[in-house]
Amino acid sequence: EFVLTQSPDTLSLSPGERATLSCRASQSVSSSYLAWYQHKPDQAPRLLIYDASSRATGIPDRFSGSGSGTDFTLTISRLEPEDFAVYYCQQYGSSVTFGQGTKVEIK
Amino acid sequence: EVQLVESGGGLVQPGGSLRLSCAASGFAFSNSWMSWVRQAPGKGPEWLGNINTDGSQKFYVGSVRGRFTFSRDNAKNSLYLQMNSLRAEDTAVYYCAKDAGYNHFDHWGQGTLVTVSS
Repeated sequence: EFVLTQSPDTLSLSPGERATLSCRASQSVSSSYLAWYQHKPDQAPRLLIYDASSRATGIPDRFSGSGSGTDFTLTISRLEPEDFAVYYCQQYGSSVTFGQGTKVEIK
Repeated sequence: EVQLVESGGGLVQPGGSLRLSCAASGFAFSNSWMSWVRQAPGKGPEWLGNINTDGSQKFYVGSVRGRFTFSRDNAKNSLYLQMNSLRAEDTAVYYCAKDAGYNHFDHWGQGTLVTVSS
């Protein structure tokens, strides 16, 4: 069973700070088929990053993805007020699996 | 603008059935693979499976195979999820999602809540 573990569960930061979110896979993610989504309450999830490091259409360049194999990172270079949300990673190299999420909250 | 709007959620008793709909607009629905994803309270999302462009191919994950059925009507730009033999553990928000290629999803609906309880 493919498991994605995100850390930390909650990240408390202030606007303007840098956010670093981790996603660790239980086995290597084929072809770096890893995506990141942002989800705010009562809204549709939003694709941010696909193929580990490619930004989706319309996503600001303060969002970046990196990593390969089993370790992946989403970085938000300078947090804007609208970035406080829950973030999920997803692998699609072997069926589809999501992580449990990291909540980025205002400190 | 791409829009996906789910409907049909509600409260249903264990063992009951429910049919969810997803109305699509703003993109070439008939050319798009579509998926269903659910999220139980306090948990990460769970992919349920997908359906190809003309509805001839469907994949279901083990937890719903044999109980859930995907279908689509391209003339109506609509996707459907028929859920039978519902269990308490099926309680979740259900989302339809547009496949951007290789099972990652570039557009999602806002979801519809299904509660299975007596």
